[in-house]
Amino acid sequence: NAGVTQTPKFQVLKTGQSMTLQCAQDMNHNSMYWYRQDPGMGLRLIYYSASEGTTDKGEVPNGYNVSRLNKREFSLRLESAAPSQTSVYFCASILRGPGGTEAFFGQGTRLTVV
Amino acid sequence: AQSVTQPDIHITVSEGASLELRCNYSYGATPYLFWYVQSPGQGLQLLLKYFSGDTLVQGIKGFEAEFKRSQSSFNLRKPSVHWSDAAEYFCAVANFKAAGNKLTFGGGTRVLVKP
Repeated sequence: NAGVTQTPKFQVLKTGQSMTLQCAQDMNHNSMYWYRQDPGMGLRLIYYSASEGTTDKGEVPNGYNVSRLNKREFSLRLESAAPSQTSVYFCASILRGPGGTEAFFGQGTRLTVV
Repeated sequence: AQSVTQPDIHITVSEGASLELRCNYSYGATPYLFWYVQSPGQGLQLLLKYFSGDTLVQGIKGFEAEFKRSQSSFNLRKPSVHWSDAAEYFCAVANFKAAGNKLTFGGGTRVLVKP
């Protein structure tokens, strides 16, 4: 059981380049999320997908787009990377069931934009 | 809108001493509350969670947290800290009743353990 898998783990981009961060979960969860983590600011929600076929903006969506390709996969795209997007990105999926609710996180993608 | 405040950015504690990390939340209804731990270069690991019932919640690694509605707090405690507890700790609140199931994090508290 892999849980939540993010690729790549590390990436360096030049300003203006584009890239897609991939996330997949094998737990059949409905809700998936993208966060960015910056020192002293905790994790801030970029976009989320409450269910397959739906996506919504979080706190800091500017400069990003997402695709919920199917129930397993939720990708984050940077169309034109900026140095302000240097961060660690985490994907998460949330299980909400009769036993409670829990969020499962990937290992993160460390992105540097130069 | 829901929000989480962790007032302490850094805490230094001696090995074997007790630890308490503060968390205050803002939320209109009964919240779902979580504590996560993140070791350097790693993802987030769930320590414990509160949804309802007993306000004192036991978690993994000897941690516990107490939900106090009157103070809008969910402080994390450990009676005796081990060197391996050095990490960053995040409190989070979730609104799983509204559309979107948002999970909001505090800014984190970095814990340093002195030998």
